[in-house]
Amino acid sequence: GEDVEQSLFLSVREGDSSVINCTYTDSSSTYLYWYKQEPGAGLQLLTYIFSNMDMKQDQRLTVLLNKKDKHLSLRIADTQTGDSAIYFCAEKSGSSASKIIFGSGTRLSIRP
Amino acid sequence: NAGVMQNPRHLVRRRGQEARLRCSPMKGHSHVYWYRQLPEEGLKFMVYLQKENIIDESGMPKERFSAEFPKEGPSILRIQQVVRGDSAAYFCASSPPGQGYNEQFFGPGTRLTVL
Repeated sequence: GEDVEQSLFLSVREGDSSVINCTYTDSSSTYLYWYKQEPGAGLQLLTYIFSNMDMKQDQRLTVLLNKKDKHLSLRIADTQTGDSAIYFCAEKSGSSASKIIFGSGTRLSIRP
Repeated sequence: NAGVMQNPRHLVRRRGQEARLRCSPMKGHSHVYWYRQLPEEGLKFMVYLQKENIIDESGMPKERFSAEFPKEGPSILRIQQVVRGDSAAYFCASSPPGQGYNEQFFGPGTRLTVL
């Protein structure tokens, strides 16, 4: 079945890099996403990567995809207090035109 | 260009009442998706609709839940005879027609509390 796993918590010091990891099981995944959710708010799409890519960079964000190991990571460079949020990894299967499968989210907290 | 709009943002119901959640997709978007987020969990897909059609309802509970997306007006998620376990945040997302399936834009959610 389809499953997306990620660790629940990550704490980093302000100015350091944050790396949030995710694994998924669906080998037919076509798109893999990172969403950000701030307290009481909806989801903001940060970035996504197509499954035939292995890296995507967008300003402070770097996404790495290891399709063989079904492992996805999000690196946030120079982490700021405004980056405190829950980060969701998600995937969309090639066999589904509709649903996105979400992980349980990683809560990122920033230490001064 | 307004984003996806949901109302109400917060809804309180007593057990046995009905809850109606509304979602207006982004302008030009004809695909609507509903997701449920239980406390401390990720989002779970419920249903995917296009105008006047339910395309995929594989995530909808078999009873008490229904969804529609009429030709005019917002999409509605209806929960009849609510129970405490229905307390959750319900998110709507939309995407444009055609090849827009890869990106879904989310609304701010409706937080349902069942007393």
